[in-house]
Amino acid sequence: KAGVTQTPRYLIKTRGQQVTLSCSPISGHRSVSWYQQTPGQGLQFLFEYFSETQRNKGNFPGRFSGRQFSNSRSEMNVSTLELGDSALYLCASMQSGVGGDTQYFGPGTRLTVL
Amino acid sequence: EDQVTQSPEALRLQEGESSSLNCSYTVSGLRGLFWYRQDPGKGPEFLFTLYSAGEEKEKERLKATLTKKESFLHITAPKPEDSATYLCAVQANQAGTALIFGKGTTLSVSS
Repeated sequence: KAGVTQTPRYLIKTRGQQVTLSCSPISGHRSVSWYQQTPGQGLQFLFEYFSETQRNKGNFPGRFSGRQFSNSRSEMNVSTLELGDSALYLCASMQSGVGGDTQYFGPGTRLTVL
Repeated sequence: EDQVTQSPEALRLQEGESSSLNCSYTVSGLRGLFWYRQDPGKGPEFLFTLYSAGEEKEKERLKATLTKKESFLHITAPKPEDSATYLCAVQANQAGTALIFGKGTTLSVSS
């Protein structure tokens, strides 16, 4: 099975711009979560989508939003970029099985805000 | 507040020198504890899931164990290719499926 794919892999933007990141989950997985990874804060949960609905949300400002399509692909949008938004954005595809859930991560999108 | 603390932050070993990484957690009801490996510039790679105290899982040179307050990742006779950052994460009952991560332990194994 193909793994989680994320596009683009690298992005450079300037303050005030907006950006859209894309994630394709593992085939058959219906849940997609997004995380932000920075050297100072580590990995932090942004939100989760399941069957096109946001099922869970972390503690991030409203500038961070997402959506999921009927084929389970997901996009994440960040508006009015700030320097502090520079990070590795990771998408995780989840398989729910007997006894619990396992999340499989993609390679990430490295966002640099200048 | 749900929290995960990993120690040490960094660990340097000689090839063949076994050691353990620690993950301490405080959560409002544990749904699962996860170990991941992350290489520079890549996404985390899933290693293990543990669900209840006393549970153990093994994969090659790695063995993960779980108690009611912490988890250990034991590395037996490590090789240079085991060098990576090892991340511990928990799922808590009140946080749904969101993973709460520790800051990680960066392991360097020299030959």
